[in-house]
Amino acid sequence: SAVISQKPSRDICQRGTSLTIQCQVDSQVTMMFWYRQQPGQSLTLIATANQGSEATYESGFVIDKFPISRPNLTFSTLTVSNMSPEDSSIYLCSVVGGSNTEAFFGQGTRLTVV
Amino acid sequence: QKEVEQNSGPLSVPEGAIASLNCTYSDRVSQSFFWYRQYSGKSPELIMSIYSNGDKEDGRFTAQLNKASQYVSLLIRDSQPSDSATYLCAVKDTGFQKLVFGTGTRLLVSP
Repeated sequence: SAVISQKPSRDICQRGTSLTIQCQVDSQVTMMFWYRQQPGQSLTLIATANQGSEATYESGFVIDKFPISRPNLTFSTLTVSNMSPEDSSIYLCSVVGGSNTEAFFGQGTRLTVV
Repeated sequence: QKEVEQNSGPLSVPEGAIASLNCTYSDRVSQSFFWYRQYSGKSPELIMSIYSNGDKEDGRFTAQLNKASQYVSLLIRDSQPSDSATYLCAVKDTGFQKLVFGTGTRLLVSP
């Protein structure tokens, strides 16, 4: 399985500010995914980060609010922009492993917006 | 809208019992199915994957898949208090690599 390092692990931010979350993988992967897990709920996909092209966003998520970078095959960032308390969630980076089937997750970023 | 359904629980079982977790999915052509365990405050951890009809065993865990009924389950034998967690069922979208998750079943194993 891939080793995924995500940071920061947690942060408390003021509303109206932005936070950039980093995801580093120990091997090259084609696709990286960003999920959100709101308190007490399951995982919702925000977008798929594609190397060399723009991210693909799911319904309800837009690039202006969640810009994503994917400069190479081992790294991606997700920015949560102009934050409000409703953005308080756990944000998770995920990659599909070498078998191209199983997905693995980073440690997650617990974001609290005050 | 592709959906994955799970009973949210909690499912309470005594230590040493078999815990049975169930999941149904809406996309009839799905081919890849996964069970993740998530402890409180932690990220999901893959515990089982299954791709063919029937049973797949790994230690105390058995995944069961019935594509005709669009049903996948996870059995945990000899349940331990350390198995207490939320178990997420995930189905891979047939057109993409992304996963669709169920809401998760919270399992409580009492000593």
